[in-house]
Amino acid sequence: EIVMTQSPATLSVSPGERATLSCRASQSVSSNLAWYQQKPGQAPRLLIYGASTRATGIPARFSGSGSGTEFTLTISSLQSEDFAVYYCQQYNNWPITFGQGTRLEIK
Amino acid sequence: QVQLQESGPGLVKPSETLSLTCTVSGGSVSSGSYYWSWIRQPPGKGLEWIGYIYYSGSTNYNPSLKSRVTISVDTSRAQFSLKLSSVTAADTAVYYCARDRTRSGYSSGWYDYWGQGTLVTVSS
Repeated sequence: EIVMTQSPATLSVSPGERATLSCRASQSVSSNLAWYQQKPGQAPRLLIYGASTRATGIPARFSGSGSGTEFTLTISSLQSEDFAVYYCQQYNNWPITFGQGTRLEIK
Repeated sequence: QVQLQESGPGLVKPSETLSLTCTVSGGSVSSGSYYWSWIRQPPGKGLEWIGYIYYSGSTNYNPSLKSRVTISVDTSRAQFSLKLSSVTAADTAVYYCARDRTRSGYSSGWYDYWGQGTLVTVSS
């Protein structure tokens, strides 16, 4: 199965600043990559699919890029509600696999 | 608005079978436009895909769980269900049901609607 590795494990950023989260696949997943946001006690929320397409209702400050094995989620100007755990997920090969998550915390 | 709601026992004994149901409202499990999945998350850990079912009954399971998993669908009740046999403490997790859209007749693989999750603890 494809192993997804996210970095860093924890990212401390101040509100209003930019956050850049990374995800690496153990083999190419083309552009078949999604990003999710999860807050405590809640289900994951789809942010990005197809590596760069924002899901319905997702603010423009969230953007995704990359293809193959290297991917990035960028949050351009952090709002208080953006502090959460973020997961990447590949759906190029079965079984679907997720990264271990990046915790985005307030600096 | 599509809503998914998990239900089932919150406590299961080791070696027994975990059984959960997901009830879908605002969207049809009998629609060929969606696949219906189960995903779990052990406390404090990451997400693990368990498997999916299509309205026709076609399934796909994670090989790591395949020998113990059965997913079924009841279109008349707008529900799909998960059974996981021979559970151990390692199966303790929040279990989510989720929907993904069909893409060219296949599962798209990304999940746009999720249930709120239900914690299942395996303990005697």
